[in-house]
Amino acid sequence: GESVGLHLPTLSVQEGDNSIINCAYSNSASDYFIWYKQESGKGPQFIIDIRSNMDKRQGQRVTVLLNKTVKHLSLQIAATQPGDSAVYFCAEKTGANNLFFGTGTRLTVIP
Amino acid sequence: SAVISQKPSRDICQRGTSLTIQCQVDSQVTMMFWYRQQPGQSLTLIATANQGSEATYESGFVIDKFPISRPNLTFSTLTVSNMSPEDSSIYLCSVDVARETQYFGPGTRLLVL
Repeated sequence: GESVGLHLPTLSVQEGDNSIINCAYSNSASDYFIWYKQESGKGPQFIIDIRSNMDKRQGQRVTVLLNKTVKHLSLQIAATQPGDSAVYFCAEKTGANNLFFGTGTRLTVIP
Repeated sequence: SAVISQKPSRDICQRGTSLTIQCQVDSQVTMMFWYRQQPGQSLTLIATANQGSEATYESGFVIDKFPISRPNLTFSTLTVSNMSPEDSSIYLCSVDVARETQYFGPGTRLLVL
């Protein structure tokens, strides 16, 4: 099966700085990727997704980058705010198969 | 997207008992999923529930332990049977929108004593 992992289990950033959360995946056939944010006591919240035919996608204050050559996915958060503190999960999907989730990175924003 | 609710939001149960978790969606969806998230861990898929057919279980999960119902396109239940402390987890349901993106409910936090 697929293997999705994250480089850093924890990340602390100063408020206002940019955050970069990384994710590695092992299945080169994966064609769809999602980033989720999970705040304490809540379910995962969809942030942004990207298909494998793209290498960059932007949302509101967030950008996802996909590097298929090295099977790497990253989530960039601009001007990080205290409300961004959460655990972030990447997930990959191959065709009609189910989502596989990475281990998660805890982002802490320091005021 | 979809709005998903779960009941109960949390519970404390005695070992050997069973708990049924409900998941309600505000729109009709074909596929619903049940995940387990153990403390400090990522999400692990338990099973996929399609209306009108038997649930499909992932490796390591069996119907006798986690029976699932899917009576219609907006509702599903997951039962955690004969519970032990190892079943203490967050149980999450999700729905598949456009056969790609999954949206999650708020979760049910279960503690088994």
